[in-house]
Amino acid sequence: DGGITQSPKYLFRKEGQNVTLSCEQNLNHDAMYWYRQDPGQGLRLIYYSQIVNDFQKGDIAEGYSVSREKKESFPLTVTSAQKNPTAFYLCASSGGSYNEQFFGPGTRLTVL
Amino acid sequence: DQQVKQNSPSLSVQEGRISILNCDYTNSMFDYFLWYKKYPAEGPTFLISISSIKDKNEDGRFTVFLNKSAKHLSLHIVPSQPGDSAVYFCAASAQGSGGGADGLTFGKGTHLIIQP
Repeated sequence: DGGITQSPKYLFRKEGQNVTLSCEQNLNHDAMYWYRQDPGQGLRLIYYSQIVNDFQKGDIAEGYSVSREKKESFPLTVTSAQKNPTAFYLCASSGGSYNEQFFGPGTRLTVL
Repeated sequence: DQQVKQNSPSLSVQEGRISILNCDYTNSMFDYFLWYKKYPAEGPTFLISISSIKDKNEDGRFTVFLNKSAKHLSLHIVPSQPGDSAVYFCAASAQGSGGGADGLTFGKGTHLIIQP
């Protein structure tokens, strides 16, 4: 089945530790995205990549880093510099302009 | 500054009636609009989209209307069914700005509750 997978579903980390969230897609999409959702809020764009080996900051990129070495994969690292990392993280991919974005199931990160 | 606004945090509608969810935007560069449905602890599911060259798009029970002059769009669901109970997000992007497949700007969502 084609789709987007995110792992793990739930993740716990101690304050001060970096953590990497996985996102893989087999839809052959060029563009991939990371969003964050907080309670009662909409989704906010962290980073996006329109093509392999290229990515751009979104609205709330501070404290996060990404890489796009393969078309299928777009991992997100939440660094210790992110002041409020506890949130629900969603990865998405798109076939290009004027195409809908497809979302993965999300990873809930809790920093203790 | 919120560029996409959904002013109704929740909406309750009787089963079988029409549900109307509203969305306003401020950025005149937005030219592509989408509606997503989301359940708790899951990723959003795409429902329907509309580009700014149209004022209406229909797909089954879902219709989206776009009023560019008012910077307003709405999602109509008719007839409403119990399975429609979820949070609905309006999203927008400026696809024609030359930026390609840029990220979406989301509203805060409207929780639709379909009552039997």
